[in-house]
Amino acid sequence: QKEVEQDPGPLSVPEGAIVSLNCTYSNSAFQYFMWYRQYSRKGPELLMYTYSSGNKEDGRFTAQVDKSSKYISLFIRDSQPSDSATYLCALRATSYDKVIFGPGTSLSVIP
Amino acid sequence: DAGVIQSPRHEVTEMGQEVTLRCKPISGHDYLFWYRQTMMRGLELLIYFNNNVPIDDSGMPEDRFSAKMPNASFSTLKIQPSEPRDSAVYFCASSFRLWSYEQYFGPGTRLTVT
Repeated sequence: QKEVEQDPGPLSVPEGAIVSLNCTYSNSAFQYFMWYRQYSRKGPELLMYTYSSGNKEDGRFTAQVDKSSKYISLFIRDSQPSDSATYLCALRATSYDKVIFGPGTSLSVIP
Repeated sequence: DAGVIQSPRHEVTEMGQEVTLRCKPISGHDYLFWYRQTMMRGLELLIYFNNNVPIDDSGMPEDRFSAKMPNASFSTLKIQPSEPRDSAVYFCASSFRLWSYEQYFGPGTRLTVT
């Protein structure tokens, strides 16, 4: 079993839809959870981060962590064509451990 | 600040040739990271530096890969000799602190080895 898994997609949705992106992991030691957005031909950029379980909201984006299920999600409300990108989940156990990236999910928002 | 700068943006080379990728981190950042991204393996950390000193190179795939950071504003990743399986996008990233949430990535170098 891979340490971090994501459905690679591609996921295609109409503009305005609610998007749910998910990530599962196997190591229960992970405590720090991040989502990166990567546009085509660009480097990843940090979108959101959370520590431990719970929800965090930032504008149209909500990150949700369920440590008991080893499952994290990113919700995008009122999706826009500019949200079209690959979304990478990233996790680490402590502040001294390296970040482990998921393989990414490709999202396309159709106008 | 212009962000992390990488060069070249694209590199096509023949198997057996030496390849050198370059990176200029954001001024003031103490940590520099080299990553490799492929469809099969995703984004993998190769090596990282702290204050120009290599700290963890456990992700470097084999001896054909080497990285240096001669000063705070410049780093290189060298592959010698290159092989087709080295084809990937190589990213450089920098940050103020180790594993800071704010790890800034460069635009990447797309390497193709034929």
